[in-house]
Amino acid sequence: GQQLNQSPQSMFIQEGEDVSMNCTSSSIFNTWLWYKQDPGEGPVLLIALYKAGELTSNGRLTAQFGITRKDSFLNISASIPSDVGIYFCAAESGANSKLTFGKGITLSVRP
Amino acid sequence: KAGVTQTPRYLIKTRGQQVTLSCSPISGHRSVSWYQQTPGQGLQFLFEYFSETQRNKGNFPGRFSGRQFSNSRSEMNVSTLELGDSALYLCASSPGTGGGKLFFGSGTQLSVL
Repeated sequence: GQQLNQSPQSMFIQEGEDVSMNCTSSSIFNTWLWYKQDPGEGPVLLIALYKAGELTSNGRLTAQFGITRKDSFLNISASIPSDVGIYFCAAESGANSKLTFGKGITLSVRP
Repeated sequence: KAGVTQTPRYLIKTRGQQVTLSCSPISGHRSVSWYQQTPGQGLQFLFEYFSETQRNKGNFPGRFSGRQFSNSRSEMNVSTLELGDSALYLCASSPGTGGGKLFFGSGTQLSVL
């Protein structure tokens, strides 16, 4: 079946640093999304990407839809303590179809 | 606009019992999806309902079922609970017109003893 690969499982950075996360797959997708989950809550949508090559920003977050349609990356600039959480990539292969999620990356930010 | 509401927040059951979880989507959203989240498997898609009809289904056994009412509220049922069903069950709503933008509730944490 379709799988999204996120690694490493955990990342530790210093406050103020930038961090990049990749999400790759062997399958082609039409939509890529990035979600963040805080403890005890459901995932919250950060960025949605709909076109190969598209680069989209949301504040300090920037994400890109890979040209091959098989990958995406998320960049967080100038990290702050509230960036701590689990970051999931997700992708959709067709209209009205289910989302496939990566296993997530747990981000820790040291003050 | 109120967000997605899931009840209850926490549930403890024993093996063999059955359980029903409830989800109220964002007003105006016609699609409700259910996901199971566990530390080992991550977020796994259970099923999606749109206008009271199941539109997509994941690879879960028939013990997992759901339904959607005319007001778009949805329920998920798990029968004959197993220890491995312990998980966070997340409901997500969307307008249902594609685009992948799901809005999640806080989830129901189910523990099966």
